Amino acid sequence: AQSVTQLDSQVPVFEEAPVELRCNYSSSVSVYLFWYVQYPNQGLQLLLKYLSGSTLVKGINGFEAEFNKSQTSFHLRKPSVHISDTAEYFCAVSPAGGAQKLVFGQGTRLTINP
Amino acid sequence: DTAVSQTPKYLVTQMGNDKSIKCEQNLGHDTMYWYKQDSKKFLKIMFSYNNKELIINETVPNRFSPKSPDKAHLNLHINSLELGDSAVYFCASSQGVGPSYEQYFGPGTRLTVT
Repeated sequence: AQSVTQLDSQVPVFEEAPVELRCNYSSSVSVYLFWYVQYPNQGLQLLLKYLSGSTLVKGINGFEAEFNKSQTSFHLRKPSVHISDTAEYFCAVSPAGGAQKLVFGQGTRLTINP
Repeated sequence: DTAVSQTPKYLVTQMGNDKSIKCEQNLGHDTMYWYKQDSKKFLKIMFSYNNKELIINETVPNRFSPKSPDKAHLNLHINSLELGDSAVYFCASSQGVGPSYEQYFGPGTRLTVT
């Protein structure tokens, strides 16, 4: 079985500041890793995913994440945030074989202050 | 055009009633999912269908019955509604069943059981 822990439930930052949202996972099998974003009153949208290869993954809206196998982490970063980045961010994993079965973390609420 | 749509957007009903939530995707995807997001924003998969066949059935009470009349539709029927069923239900779809595919989420249906 897999589990995902997002270490911060809320992260407030000022506009144009950098941000890091932390995600750790646990799994007995190889996994693929994902970050999804949920804007207010909307469904989730994929930001980026790690399947294999380079451990630094770039996604939409200037976000990137780094897979660290030894620390079982997949932290999300952005060098300069905007008001429009205010949203809930979810880290998720899926076993690398078989049908996709996303297991989500608890979410991190990112609030950007002017 | 909305890629994944759900109806209704809001559903308020009393305990003991039976209700359905409809989901349609116009992306030509083969795989569809139902998720439940509770009041703490925790998101958990309930069901997954591929080409109208059930492939994932998590530990969901049998009061919940998904039905897929065709590849573009996946409806969720709930019998004998309970207070604990109050949540936001998300439908999603993906091009294939494998773990690397991006999932596209609908806007959600907020179910309130009184």
